Amino acid sequence: DGGITQSPKYLFRKEGQNVTLSCEQNLNHDAMYWYRQDPGQGLRLIYYSQIVNDFQKGDIAEGYSVSREKKESFPLTVTSAQKNPTAFYLCASARLAGDTGELFFGEGSRLTVL
Amino acid sequence: SQQGEEDPQALSIQEGENATMNCSYKTSINNLQWYRQNSGRGLVHLILIRSNEREKHSGRLRVTLDTSKKSSSLLITASRAADTASYFCATDGIQGAQKLVFGQGTRLTINP
Repeated sequence: DGGITQSPKYLFRKEGQNVTLSCEQNLNHDAMYWYRQDPGQGLRLIYYSQIVNDFQKGDIAEGYSVSREKKESFPLTVTSAQKNPTAFYLCASARLAGDTGELFFGEGSRLTVL
Repeated sequence: SQQGEEDPQALSIQEGENATMNCSYKTSINNLQWYRQNSGRGLVHLILIRSNEREKHSGRLRVTLDTSKKSSSLLITASRAADTASYFCATDGIQGAQKLVFGQGTRLTINP
């Protein structure tokens, strides 16, 4: 079955540690996105990528980094510079670069900083 | 930046009743989409309506779009307990057409 796989589902981190969230898709989609969701809130865009080896900052990129070395993979690193990293992180993909049609979402990764 | 704003923030109705949620946005758009999120899960796409469309149906869902008022509504008819979820509108912008911006959502509770 085609889809987006995020891992881990739950992650605990101590302050000062970097952590990497995995996002893999087998839909052959060009575009991939990372969103952050805080309790009772909507989604805020962190980074997005339209093609391999290229990505753009979203609205809240500070304290985060990404890479897009393969079409199917778009990992997100939450660095120690992110002041308030506890949140629910959602990865999504879209079929075509520049397409603002349907997004396909993974099941999310919940990060808690202890 | 939050482009869309949903109203109400929370809605609780009895099973079988209709549920209406509204979304307002600020800038011109190419399309507007509605998504559903069950608690602790990812979002699922429900319906997309283009800026030149005024109404669209999908099963028990009816979406309207009024570009002059920069607003949209999502109607769920004959609600079921399984419709309990959060519903989000998402808009693109003609200028920044490579990304969607989501509203804060409406939390819908269907009481049996």
